Amino acid sequence: EVKLLESGGGLVQPGGSLNLSCAASGFDFSRYWMSWARQAPGKGQEWIGEINPGSSTINYTPSLKDKFIISRDNAKNTLYLQMSKVRSEDTALYYCARLNRYDVGYYAMDYWGQGTSVTVSS
Amino acid sequence: DIQMTQSPASLSVSVGETVTITCRASENIYSNLAWYQQKQGKSPQLLVYAATNLADGVPSRFSGSGSGTQYSLKINSLQSEDFGSYYCQHFWGTPFTFGSGTKLEIK
Repeated sequence: EVKLLESGGGLVQPGGSLNLSCAASGFDFSRYWMSWARQAPGKGQEWIGEINPGSSTINYTPSLKDKFIISRDNAKNTLYLQMSKVRSEDTALYYCARLNRYDVGYYAMDYWGQGTSVTVSS
Repeated sequence: DIQMTQSPASLSVSVGETVTITCRASENIYSNLAWYQQKQGKSPQLLVYAATNLADGVPSRFSGSGSGTQYSLKINSLQSEDFGSYYCQHFWGTPFTFGSGTKLEIK
């Protein structure tokens, strides 16, 4: 059974930093692209970025590129999101998801974690 | 960046009715589109990938259609467990933006 378990959320002051983790199990983590998304309270989903299996390709949504860093440790089956220079608008539930490649090159985020909550406030 | 315009924002329907949710992309996304269902307090669940393909375990009352810039998710004979929010997401080049969502409520 595929499982994704985020952790590391909490309260952080504006301008501060926070590191999120996503522990994966039930599949060969080292073979899959992985992704982060977030959902602000009462709002829709926002895609944060993705990372390929070898960490050689990392893409971000442009507005977050200078604040967030995505990385992974395949030996630990863990995905990471380093958040810096956070602002109140970064308050959200942060999800990790597996990015699956289907036949003929189509993609979808087929498994999601339960999310970890980040609150930016003084 | 590709923008996804999803409509309607909300829909009030009764059990047994049929609903259609649409997403329009700002440019051709060549069927690189997924649909998700999200119930209150839960994480999103994949329903459809590649615009028309049902994910594993998704009931056949769900169907996806469309091409080019216009896509739809149709739910036939709504069941009580279908109420929640629905999102589209494109995968034609990063960033993989989501639509703004459709909240399906019980009438």
